[in-house]
Amino acid sequence: DSGVTQTPKHLITATGQRVTLRCSPRSGDLSVYWYQQSLDQGLQFLIQYYNGEERAKGNILERFSAQQFPDLHSELNLSSLELGDSALYFCASSVAVQGAFADTQYFGPGTRLTVL
Amino acid sequence: GQQLNQSPQSMFIQEGEDVSMNCTSSSIFNTWLWYKQDPGEGPVLLIALYKAGELTSNGRLTAQFGITRKDSFLNISASIPSDVGIYFCAGQRHAGGTSYGKLTFGQGTILTVHP
Repeated sequence: DSGVTQTPKHLITATGQRVTLRCSPRSGDLSVYWYQQSLDQGLQFLIQYYNGEERAKGNILERFSAQQFPDLHSELNLSSLELGDSALYFCASSVAVQGAFADTQYFGPGTRLTVL
Repeated sequence: GQQLNQSPQSMFIQEGEDVSMNCTSSSIFNTWLWYKQDPGEGPVLLIALYKAGELTSNGRLTAQFGITRKDSFLNISASIPSDVGIYFCAGQRHAGGTSYGKLTFGQGTILTVHP
């Protein structure tokens, strides 16, 4: 158990719908990362938050957005869903101490999204 | 998006055999990591490497950070059935401050161990 929790475990929805995925980081971790895993693209970085602020963006579609709340949990919102959005979505967290030599990311169990 | 070149794509081995897989990149990374993913689960960190040339072990696993900082390998000795899974390499660049940067992943190596 990495200490990172994600809900729900599975999500089945229809095209055009909107869903919200939730992530709680490990206790003490300030940074949250979202990744998408699909068969054709592999594991791809979407977005990073640090202590409530967006820090980095990867290959995240405009239909997708995220935020990190004061209690440090994060939500990934996916809207106008398409069949191709079906994938595993992982959240990872890290301590991200200022000036530290390195920073290790620990992954949650993921949310499997199926768009029908 | 960018991915690391990880090989082999899959391996079928007998229990007790040693396994080796590697990752290469066209650009350098500050940190190399190796993760294992079981079906339906998230990636679990196996080994983290922080310095060029570093050789680190974790039980039967040994990994090395390439001198050029553009490659890494993972060895598993005396494989057992529970080693089955998908192994991913990942590279990370330290962007300064608290921006440690995203992980860039390899395509994964699917390991099957026959008893």
